[in-house]
Amino acid sequence: GENVEQHPSTLSVQEGDSAVIKCTYSDSASNYFPWYKQELGKGPQLIIDIRSNVGEKKDQRIAVTLNKTAKHFSLHITETQPEDSAVYFCAASLRMGGTSYGKLTFGQGTILTVHP
Amino acid sequence: NAGVTQTPKFRVLKTGQSMTLLCAQDMNHEYMYWYRQDPGMGLRLIHYSVGEGTTAKGEVPDGYNVSRLKKQNFLLGLESAAPSQTSVYFCASSSLRRNEQFFGPGTRLTVL
Repeated sequence: GENVEQHPSTLSVQEGDSAVIKCTYSDSASNYFPWYKQELGKGPQLIIDIRSNVGEKKDQRIAVTLNKTAKHFSLHITETQPEDSAVYFCAASLRMGGTSYGKLTFGQGTILTVHP
Repeated sequence: NAGVTQTPKFRVLKTGQSMTLLCAQDMNHEYMYWYRQDPGMGLRLIHYSVGEGTTAKGEVPDGYNVSRLKKQNFLLGLESAAPSQTSVYFCASSSLRRNEQFFGPGTRLTVL
């Protein structure tokens, strides 16, 4: 089955700096890569996703890049703010349809702390 | 819309006791999932359902059972709780057209 590795496990930055979280996956058939943000005491929430036919996607201060050949993808957060402090999870899946049923394999998570 | 709700929010069990966690969604989603979250291990899929009356095993199904008698509800049961089942449990749902999963707020379970 799919295996997703995520690094680093913790990341501490100063407000205004950039933060980068990296993930690798093992199954070359995976073609959907979401990123979830989990705030303290809450469930994960999707913040951005990318499909395998796209190399990069941006949404304001966050961006995700995908390298299918190397089987890795990264989350980039620019101009970090204290409210970006949370746990971030990457995941991999087959796109909805067929027998994939949208099942996600998650990375281990990164605790991001943004210091004012 | 309430989205995905879970009950209870917290529970303490003794080894060998049983309990049922309830998940409800009001988005008319076809797919529902149960995950457990443990420190340093991310979220791992326990069981999932692709429709009313159907369930399937995920990555870590041992010790758990599920049922989906109604489209909006997905129940997770522990027949004989063990300390290894101490975890935070999350339910999620998604439509069959989109991959995005919507998560509930979680249930923190402690087994003594």
